[in-house]
Amino acid sequence: GESVGLHLPTLSVQEGDNSIINCAYSNSASDYFIWYKQESGKGPQFIIDIRSNMDKRQGQRVTVLLNKTVKHLSLQIAATQPGDSAVYFCAENTDTDKLIFGTGTRLQVFP
Amino acid sequence: GAGVSQSPRYKVAKRGQDVALRCDPISGHVSLFWYQQALGQGPEFLTYFQNEAQLDKSGLPSDRFFAERPEGSVSTLKIQRTQQEDSAVYLCASSESGGAVGELFFGEGSRLTVL
Repeated sequence: GESVGLHLPTLSVQEGDNSIINCAYSNSASDYFIWYKQESGKGPQFIIDIRSNMDKRQGQRVTVLLNKTVKHLSLQIAATQPGDSAVYFCAENTDTDKLIFGTGTRLQVFP
Repeated sequence: GAGVSQSPRYKVAKRGQDVALRCDPISGHVSLFWYQQALGQGPEFLTYFQNEAQLDKSGLPSDRFFAERPEGSVSTLKIQRTQQEDSAVYLCASSESGGAVGELFFGEGSRLTVL
């Protein structure tokens, strides 16, 4: 398939390890945050979201942490699998109709 | 189909040609969004519809870009007199409720290459 991005920051992890993908967001007024996964040649796929009144939210194998003080968001993936290989984007919303996406991080999982 | 469908998947246009990109959202979804994604970048907002009403078109880069959703379902993004800088993947997304809160379901995109 086609590459989503050729010069993205890349995180390489071994299968079975935990992955942590970080994101710095821009607007202190943002109150809603989402992580998306984008595989090559496909559209972004929703992973997990969190509102600004929370610090942590857990899903299946994924956890999102929000630190509003330093405007930082992270996505933790437990027991990373080859199928997790993709580009991951954080996105923020400031009570509007548009999501503002970050530049993305490529996750590579090797056996 | 169950997901958001976009066509064509790939479009090559000569500079100056007009193009039309189609989006079939998930049936019953109120909100529809168009995003532009350049290579190596995150998606950038273009425009938003709630049913047939275009509530926000602040992201459209120029008056050569036009979007419509006349019956509140299928949407078309039209680009007139294409330029090389228009080359990108154009993503459509829909959601069940109004606004960009909650899960947006994205299509696979239409890749436009302007020669």
